[in-house]
Amino acid sequence: EAGVAQSPRYKIIEKRQSVAFWCNPISGHATLYWYQQILGQGPKLLIQFQNNGVVDDSQLPKDRFSAERLKGVDSTLKIQPAKLEDSAVYLCASRPTVGTEAFFGQGTRLTVV
Amino acid sequence: AQTVTQSQPEMSVQEAETVTLSCTYDTSESNYYLFWYKQPPSRQMILVIRQEAYKQQNATENRFSVNFQKAAKSFSLKISDSQLGDTAMYFCAFALGGATNKLIFGTGTLLAVQP
Repeated sequence: EAGVAQSPRYKIIEKRQSVAFWCNPISGHATLYWYQQILGQGPKLLIQFQNNGVVDDSQLPKDRFSAERLKGVDSTLKIQPAKLEDSAVYLCASRPTVGTEAFFGQGTRLTVV
Repeated sequence: AQTVTQSQPEMSVQEAETVTLSCTYDTSESNYYLFWYKQPPSRQMILVIRQEAYKQQNATENRFSVNFQKAAKSFSLKISDSQLGDTAMYFCAFALGGATNKLIFGTGTLLAVQP
């Protein structure tokens, strides 16, 4: 069974530029999460999808961050414009309808300079 | 709101020894799950062990076991016979039962296994 795929693995951009991350969850997993993990901290939930609907986006900075999950499968997370404090690892995870375990991708390390 | 607290930023243990990582949580809900995730330098989160709140018996997975104290809202991880490959960040996490199942993480404990 293929795992959660994320791309790119690394990205360096200048502040005020835009960036997009892509996530392909495990096939059949209805729930998809995007987390932000700042160096030295635990992951913070940005947004949670159930199929293609948003379940929780209370901690998503909506003035600059946006996310979508097309057809309830792949998802993209976008930042526009980026700030220095957005430097972090962005983790995508998915979970099946039945079961409690979330499976994580390897993350994208974003550096904003 | 649910919170997860890990009070040990770093821990060190000698190879083959036993180490315990601490975690406390806060919730008013009765249906929830607790997890320990391992994050090696590769960054990929790997589930180590899971505990359902309704189960009184502590979960065990090979060298990993938990001490789940529901009344005290405590969920510690014991690693026996520590191996060099256990070196990683360990995160305690909480999720409510049901469809929403938002996964909330603690701040992590960096475990270093010394040869």
